[in-house]
Amino acid sequence: AQSVTQPDIHITVSEGASLELRCNYSYGATPYLFWYVQSPGQGLQLLLKYFSGDTLVQGIKGFEAEFKRSQSSFTLRKPSVHWSDAAEYFCAVGAYTGGFKTIFGAGTRLFVKA
Amino acid sequence: GAVVSQHPSWVICKSGTSVKIECRSLDFQATTMFWYRQFPKQSLMLMATSNEGSKATYEQGVEKDKFLINHASLTLSTLTVTSAHPEDSSFYICSATAEVNTEAFFGQGTRLTVV
Repeated sequence: AQSVTQPDIHITVSEGASLELRCNYSYGATPYLFWYVQSPGQGLQLLLKYFSGDTLVQGIKGFEAEFKRSQSSFTLRKPSVHWSDAAEYFCAVGAYTGGFKTIFGAGTRLFVKA
Repeated sequence: GAVVSQHPSWVICKSGTSVKIECRSLDFQATTMFWYRQFPKQSLMLMATSNEGSKATYEQGVEKDKFLINHASLTLSTLTVTSAHPEDSSFYICSATAEVNTEAFFGQGTRLTVV
């Protein structure tokens, strides 16, 4: 069964500073990996996804993520954070088990200070 | 990406009543739909998997008699919270996939408040 760990419950970053959100996964085969963002009271928005190929993937809103198979990690980064990036970020792993099932990490709440 | 719509976006119901939430795939046929529950400031927890025309498969700890799931067509799945209680208040999110998909498409969620 797949599982996801996000070690940081919350992170505070100054506006304009760089961001790095950590994610580790556990899955027996090649994983499908995702980062989603959720603003308070809202649904999920897909930032980016990784299936295969280049281990550095580009997403929306200036986000990118790096997949490292040797570390079972999928790290989300952004060079310069904007105040509007404050939200909850979920790392997720997907797999085919009777449909494409997505399992989420616990989430990391990002606070942006002026 | 494909569009998944949930209805209603929010609902308030009295304790003891039942409430139905709909999840529709608008522009594709979803062979499989998933239902998640999210408590405030927590992650999304998978409740059940439903395949069109079959009984839903529930995750451990989820009461199947409490949360009735129907997936009668390739574009519609419903979640009915029966005899709702205040502890059932939560944010419910569905997702849908087709066999060719390599990701799930999520609805916008339904905020249920039981008073």
